[in-house]
Amino acid sequence: GDSVTQMEGPVTLSEEAFLTINCTYTATGYPSLFWYVQYPGEGLQLLLKATKADDKGSNKGFEATYRKETTSFHLEKGSVQVSDSAVYFCALSVAEDTGRRALTFGSGTRLQVQP
Amino acid sequence: DSGVTQTPKHLITATGQRVTLRCSPRSGDLSVYWYQQSLDQGLQFLIQYYNGEERAKGNILERFSAQQFPDLHSELNLSSLELGDSALYFCASSVGSSGRGPGANVLTFGAGSRLTVL
Repeated sequence: GDSVTQMEGPVTLSEEAFLTINCTYTATGYPSLFWYVQYPGEGLQLLLKATKADDKGSNKGFEATYRKETTSFHLEKGSVQVSDSAVYFCALSVAEDTGRRALTFGSGTRLQVQP
Repeated sequence: DSGVTQTPKHLITATGQRVTLRCSPRSGDLSVYWYQQSLDQGLQFLIQYYNGEERAKGNILERFSAQQFPDLHSELNLSSLELGDSALYFCASSVGSSGRGPGANVLTFGAGSRLTVL
């Protein structure tokens, strides 16, 4: 079945440091890939997405490139802020003839940014 | 505010009891999804509905059931509750589509219902 593997956290960085959170996937068919973010006490929010190979999703300074050859979708940000402290989830979705559209999530990576 | 409304926000109950969680999807969205988030299991997909019909089942226990009503709101029923059912239950919605095609099916999540079983 489909699966997503993320690097384990927590990841602790100082403000303005470079961030990379690794994500690899296994999927049948051609998945769309997503990063969602969950701030403390809140639901998940879409951060960025990519729908085909070599697409780059970007939002709020975060970027991720859909790499089909390495089945990866690593999240990067050049300079993190304290406000980026949250849990980040990598996810995939494969459109199925049954109509299933659910996302399969990774285990989440907690990011802590210190001032 | 994501546009997906979940009630109640918090619920405390005892083992063996039954609870109902409610979700109103974002305006215009036809698909509703339920997820369970626990510390040891992460985010687990439970079930998906599209325009009132069940479309996909994930790791949903037989003690749990759900439905989507004609006005598109959905309810998740949890019965014979056990301590291990304590978790955050998220509802998400999307426009949904009936077939394959380009583009990404973006899910919009509600704030969740936190269930504590004592």
